[in-house]
Parts: sequence; C-alpha cells; structure tokens
Amino acid sequence: QVQLVQSGSELKKPGASVKVSCKASGYTFSDYILNWVRQAPGQGLEWMGWINTKTANPTYAQDFTGRFVFSLDTSVSTSYLHINSLKVEDTAVYYCAREKRGGFDIWGQGTMVTVYS
Amino acid sequence: DIVMTQSPDSLAVSLGERASISCKSSQSLLYNSNNKNYLAWYQQKPGQPPKLLIYWASTRESGVPDRFSGSGSGTDFTLSFSSLQAEDVAVYYCQQYLSKPSTFGQGTKLEIK
Repeated sequence: QVQLVQSGSELKKPGASVKVSCKASGYTFSDYILNWVRQAPGQGLEWMGWINTKTANPTYAQDFTGRFVFSLDTSVSTSYLHINSLKVEDTAVYYCAREKRGGFDIWGQGTMVTVYS
Repeated sequence: DIVMTQSPDSLAVSLGERASISCKSSQSLLYNSNNKNYLAWYQQKPGQPPKLLIYWASTRESGVPDRFSGSGSGTDFTLSFSSLQAEDVAVYYCQQYLSKPSTFGQGTKLEIK
C-alpha cells in the first residue's frame, strides 16, 4: 500500500525547534519528489517547497527560506521538515505530499505543530 | 508567481443537483509542447489531508467517482459535480503545477442546502 506516514503532533514554545518526519512505503522512494505544504488553522493550502529524493537537493518557496529545512534519510525512505526559531504564527498542520506527473497524488496524514507562549 | 482565484468562496447545493466551481489563473497553464494544462483539483474533508481528484485539468484520478469532472484550458477552469452526494461536502482547491512556486486557490466550501 502506497502511503506517507507522518510523525505525531508537537507542542512547542517560541524560539524552540521541531522536526517533523514523513516516512514513505509501498513505492520506490527516489522515484518521486516530495513536497511540503502548510495549512494554518482554518486557512488554505500553502506550498512550502520540495526536495529531490534522488539528490537531496531542496527548493524553498520565498516565505520559507531561512528557518525551514528539508532533509532526507534514504536508508529509511524518510523526509524531514525542520523548523528553527519557532514563532506563534508557525502554528499549523504540515503535510508532506508525493508529486507525480500531474499533481500531488499521495499525502501524509498531517502533523499539527502548535507554538504557544 | 501564478495567482489562482476560485469562485465562489462557498456554495450550497441540494442533494442530487449539479454544481460547479470556477478557478482562474493569472497566467496560462497550457504548456504548448505537450498541449497539457498543469491544473489539479483537490477535495479536503475536515480533519483529513487533501485528496487528488483531477489532474491535467480533466483527467480523473483512479477511484474518483465519475460524477466529478474537470474542464477548461489556458486560464479558466471548472470543477463540476453532476449530482451532489452528501459525502461531497468538503472544501475544494485548485492548484497549478506548471511553475514553482506551485500555488493553490483559496478554496471553495461546498455544503448541502
């Protein structure tokens, strides 16, 4: 079964860091790039960027440069989203999504990151 | 960046009735070398991730009921429902994947009247 399984919810203080994982199964990990998408509470979908699962080269959307880092561990078919220096406005659900030729066909279940002061 | 604008923001339709959602892009999504429109539609139900319904503007994803259909080309696209079912209540998003950054419409909330 093709799926992406993400790590559980996180509660963090401002200034802390968080790492969200996205584990792929049921397909060859390096055959598809992975995207990261943010959804703030009650809001729409915001594309954060993507990571090339062959080269580990990340590309970030303009609003997600600096504090946001995508990485891979190909030995366990997993991508990671690191967010540093968390802000209250980073509170959101973060999704990983596989991109095929034609849209994002497989999504993780989402990881809620709550930043509270 | 390509801006995606959906209309309406919300829509209430009776069960069994037809419905449609519009999506307009600020630039053409038609790639001339392969004559494909780089436009997808997603359905998102509360507490769930988005689900891919339509890609290449009109190709239905495997397993998606045929009451959902996509049409349009260039900058104007439509997601249509031939006969609304209770399980279709959701927020629907269009997305362009022609160029990075990939961008989504603001979403259209579909409810039962």
